[in-house]
Amino acid sequence: DIQMTQSPSSVSASVGDRVTITCRASQGISSWLAWYQQKPGKAPKLLIYVTSSLQSGVPSRFSGSGSGTDFTLTISSLQPEDFATYFCQQANSFPLTFGGGTKVEIK
Amino acid sequence: EVQLVESGGGLIHPGGSLRLSCAASGFTVSSNYMSWVRQAPGKGLEWVSVIYSGAGTYYADSVKGRFTISRDNSKNTLYLQMNSLRAEDTAVYHCARNMVGDRIYGMDVWGQGTTVTVSS
Repeated sequence: DIQMTQSPSSVSASVGDRVTITCRASQGISSWLAWYQQKPGKAPKLLIYVTSSLQSGVPSRFSGSGSGTDFTLTISSLQPEDFATYFCQQANSFPLTFGGGTKVEIK
Repeated sequence: EVQLVESGGGLIHPGGSLRLSCAASGFTVSSNYMSWVRQAPGKGLEWVSVIYSGAGTYYADSVKGRFTISRDNSKNTLYLQMNSLRAEDTAVYHCARNMVGDRIYGMDVWGQGTTVTVSS
């Protein structure tokens, strides 16, 4: 199975800050990576797929990059509604696997 | 409106069985790849199973041989039959629609989840 490791596990930031979250795969997954946002008690929401493609309706302050084993999610200017937990997920092979999550908290 | 609504969760004793349902609206389940994803209390996301539009299926090792994914095209509904339940199966279970191209790109539509608690 492909293990997905996210870092940091949590980050404290202020509105307007640039936030970067890293996801590392235990083996190469080409560009088959997605990012999700989850708020407490809610279902995950797809933000980005195939590393850098923005899902319809997702603000352009979210961006993704990377390939192979190392990937990043960047929020260019953090907004109040962005405080949430973010998960990466590899789509290269079964079983599909998720990272452990990064909680973005208010500083 | 594109929507998924799960039901069927509850409290069940270890070794018991439960069937979860996921009713879709706004799109056709049989034309899509559909997954179940679970989240244990305070934990991360764990993919459980997928059913292809062609009816092929895959399972996580943790549920293989105990869980069965299926669908009823006439009801536009996805199911997860869960047998031999264990305490570690306790979680919120979400169904999700998969975006598909060369691979499963991601899961673009999610249900709100149904809670399964396995406890004596």
